[in-house]
Amino acid sequence: EIVMTQSPATLSVSPGERATLSCRASQSVNSKLAWYQQKPGQAPRLLIYGASTRATDIPARFSGSGSGTEFTLTISSLQSEDFAVYYCQQYNNWPRTFGQGTKTEIK
Amino acid sequence: EVQLLESGGDLVQPGGSLRLSCAASGFTFSSFGMAWVRQAPGKGLEWVSVITGSGGTTYYADSVKGRFAISRDNSKNTLYLQMNSLRAEDTAIYSCARSLNGAYDYWGQGTLVTVSS
Repeated sequence: EIVMTQSPATLSVSPGERATLSCRASQSVNSKLAWYQQKPGQAPRLLIYGASTRATDIPARFSGSGSGTEFTLTISSLQSEDFAVYYCQQYNNWPRTFGQGTKTEIK
Repeated sequence: EVQLLESGGDLVQPGGSLRLSCAASGFTFSSFGMAWVRQAPGKGLEWVSVITGSGGTTYYADSVKGRFAISRDNSKNTLYLQMNSLRAEDTAIYSCARSLNGAYDYWGQGTLVTVSS
């Protein structure tokens, strides 16, 4: 099973600042990497797939990069509605696996 | 508009069984793989199982293999999860999700399964 490790566990950011979230895979997942945003009481929302392709209706301030084992989600200017938990997920191997999540909080 | 609506969650005793359903609408159901993902209270996301559009191929997490069975009825646009030999650690919100070649682009709100005596 591929283990996905996200860092940091919690990220304190001021509104308007840049946020950088990391995800590392225990072995290569090529570019089969997705990012999700989840707010309390809500279903996860797909942000990025294929490591760098924004999903439908996702604002341009969200960007993804990386391949192989190292991936990054960048939020260029954090808005109030962006404070949430973010998960990465690999879909290169079975079983599919998620990272443990990064919580972004207001600094 | 794509909609996924889960049902069937309940309080069940350890060792018991439960069947979850996910009613889909707003897209050609048989053209998409579908998955179940669960989230224990206050915890992260855990992938459970997936089934191809035709229903011919399924995959499971090791934690549920041999106890859970995913299936679908494309004539009813419905996804199922049969859960047997339930354990306390299966307590979670179970959500269905549509597969976009492995990523999950639409999710339901989930149904709560509680395993407790």
